[in-house]
Amino acid sequence: EEQLVESGGGVIQPGGSLRLSCAVSGFIVSRNYMSWVRQAPGRGLEWVSIIYSGGDTYYADSVKGRFTISRDSSKNRLYLQLNSLRVEDTAVYYCARSEAAADPFDVWGQGTLVTVSS
Amino acid sequence: SYVLTQPASLSVAPGKTASLTCGGNNIGNKGVHWYQQKPGRAPVVVIYYDTDRPSGVPERFSGSISGNTATLTISRVEAVDEADYYCQVWDGATDQVAFGGGTKLTVL
Repeated sequence: EEQLVESGGGVIQPGGSLRLSCAVSGFIVSRNYMSWVRQAPGRGLEWVSIIYSGGDTYYADSVKGRFTISRDSSKNRLYLQLNSLRVEDTAVYYCARSEAAADPFDVWGQGTLVTVSS
Repeated sequence: SYVLTQPASLSVAPGKTASLTCGGNNIGNKGVHWYQQKPGRAPVVVIYYDTDRPSGVPERFSGSISGNTATLTISRVEAVDEADYYCQVWDGATDQVAFGGGTKLTVL
């Protein structure tokens, strides 16, 4: 069964850093396109970042320069490094798979909550 | 960045038809995906590439494109269809993904 399980969320002060992890099972992370999508409380979905199967990475304008997406093929895991966190980064962060850049997100994790607050 | 526009809310009586719209410039060239999200749950794709329906999604769900608007149509609406619905595309010009703001569907 294809499954994604996020971890690493928590409460962090503005300006702080956090690393989210997404454990992948049932498929190979490096052969797919993996994204992070977030959802602020009571708000809509916002795409954050994607890593292509070939390794190219892209970011939403709102997080460019602050967040870094990566993967570890040996552990079959996806990561999101969050730096210089802001209050407006508070959200549930989902990892999601697509089989190509334009394909739909067909596998989602359950999400991990990041709360940025002083 | 590419912008997708959805109405914030839509109410429909059981048994009627719900038409949820998603507007975007030249959206017909993009390939639109639709997701259903219920409270506390991750989104689930209900229509992909404008008109295709994943296995397991009821035939009551269909998608279409006309001009600069994509439409998700839910026929014979049931209480279980009450959820938030999001459209999504990939913008090849910027290698970014765009989501619409979402429509909250209320079944009266």
